[in-house]
Amino acid sequence: GDSVTQMEGPVTLSEEAFLTINCTYTATGYPSLFWYVQYPGEGLQLLLKATKADDKGSNKGFEATYRKETTSFHLEKGSVQVSDSAVYFCAPDTGRRALTFGSGTRLQVQP
Amino acid sequence: DTGVSQNPRHKITKRGQNVTFRCDPISEHNRLYWYRQTLGQGPEFLTYFQNEAQLEKSRLLSDRFSAERPKGSFSTLEIQRTEQGDSAMYLCASSLNVDEQFFGPGTRLTVL
Repeated sequence: GDSVTQMEGPVTLSEEAFLTINCTYTATGYPSLFWYVQYPGEGLQLLLKATKADDKGSNKGFEATYRKETTSFHLEKGSVQVSDSAVYFCAPDTGRRALTFGSGTRLQVQP
Repeated sequence: DTGVSQNPRHKITKRGQNVTFRCDPISEHNRLYWYRQTLGQGPEFLTYFQNEAQLEKSRLLSDRFSAERPKGSFSTLEIQRTEQGDSAMYLCASSLNVDEQFFGPGTRLTVL
């Protein structure tokens, strides 16, 4: 079945630091790949997505590239802000059924 | 607001009681999903509907759980004879076919 491995948190960074959150997955076929974000007290929101190999998803300064050869979809941001503090979830979607979520990575950005 | 809504937002119940949650998806979305999220974990798939048909159920969905989407619009999730292990956030999401899933705010269940 589908599975996701995310780097464990919490990740604690200072404002303006560079962020990488690793994500690797196993899935049947060629899934679409998603990063969702959950801000404190709020519901899950789609952050970005990529639907085929070598696609780069981007939003709010975050980027992730669909790497089929390494089955990875690492999330990056060049300069984090305090407002980026949240839990980030990686999820492949084969389109057959629902999303398979990783366990989430909590990001804490300190001023 | 045309997003996914869930009611109630919080539910506290005693062990052994039945509870029912409601999800109202985005109106034109034909797919509706239920997930469960426990503290420190990612959401886990429970079941999903395409229109009124329940197409798949997770092994997590024991026979105490039942979900319906009678007219292909709103959905209900009922848990019978609740147990403390049922305490979790229950999330609903909807999508148009296989597009992006939009999540509701969730219903937090506490079983005492």
